[in-house]
Amino acid sequence: DTAVSQTPKYLVTQMGNDKSIKCEQNLGHDTMYWYKQDSKKFLKIMFSYNNKELIINETVPNRFSPKSPDKAHLNLHINSLELGDSAVYFCASSQRRDSYNEQFFGPGTRLTVL
Amino acid sequence: GENVEQHPSTLSVQEGDSAVIKCTYSDSASNYFPWYKQELGKRPQLIIDIRSNVGEKKDQRIAVTLNKTAKHFSLHITETQPEDSAVYFCAATEGSQGNLIFGKGTKLSVKP
Repeated sequence: DTAVSQTPKYLVTQMGNDKSIKCEQNLGHDTMYWYKQDSKKFLKIMFSYNNKELIINETVPNRFSPKSPDKAHLNLHINSLELGDSAVYFCASSQRRDSYNEQFFGPGTRLTVL
Repeated sequence: GENVEQHPSTLSVQEGDSAVIKCTYSDSASNYFPWYKQELGKRPQLIIDIRSNVGEKKDQRIAVTLNKTAKHFSLHITETQPEDSAVYFCAATEGSQGNLIFGKGTKLSVKP
């Protein structure tokens, strides 16, 4: 069984478009995250979401918005896509937000903005 | 906020040799330090972690050491094998909140 899944795996789109990436976890975890991995492989936290509490990395543009319909899902919506948004986006989950919790990553979504 | 520095950025070793990757962190409240391995085109996966109340932890060929006073921690891989080739990331928690701040990664190449 896949623990953390994401769709789509690849996403190619034009500048200015709006797109969404879906994430689902079947681990029963309370906390979910979105990370951006750029071309230099740098992994950067974008959001963490726990019991309807959202913590936003202050460097993330407000064009990015996470939406959680329920505890098992955390989707990422991106408005007005820019060239610099091209990256691999990873969803992750952990049992709780506090420390000592292994984060399980999804397979990633490679976003290419043309 | 937390800042994690990781060195070296690339590391090439001969099969059977040891590999050491070092990280420093800035937030004295950080209390959890995991290491993730990411193979090409794959997701990051946890290989070992250490809590702030422990100085060393070992799991077969992999060990991690933590020096809280100096705010640095290291990953040691002994008897390296070609399948150890990957990018390795260290991370530290932002305070006790649980958000992980990652180092920039070390690309390890193990030559047969």
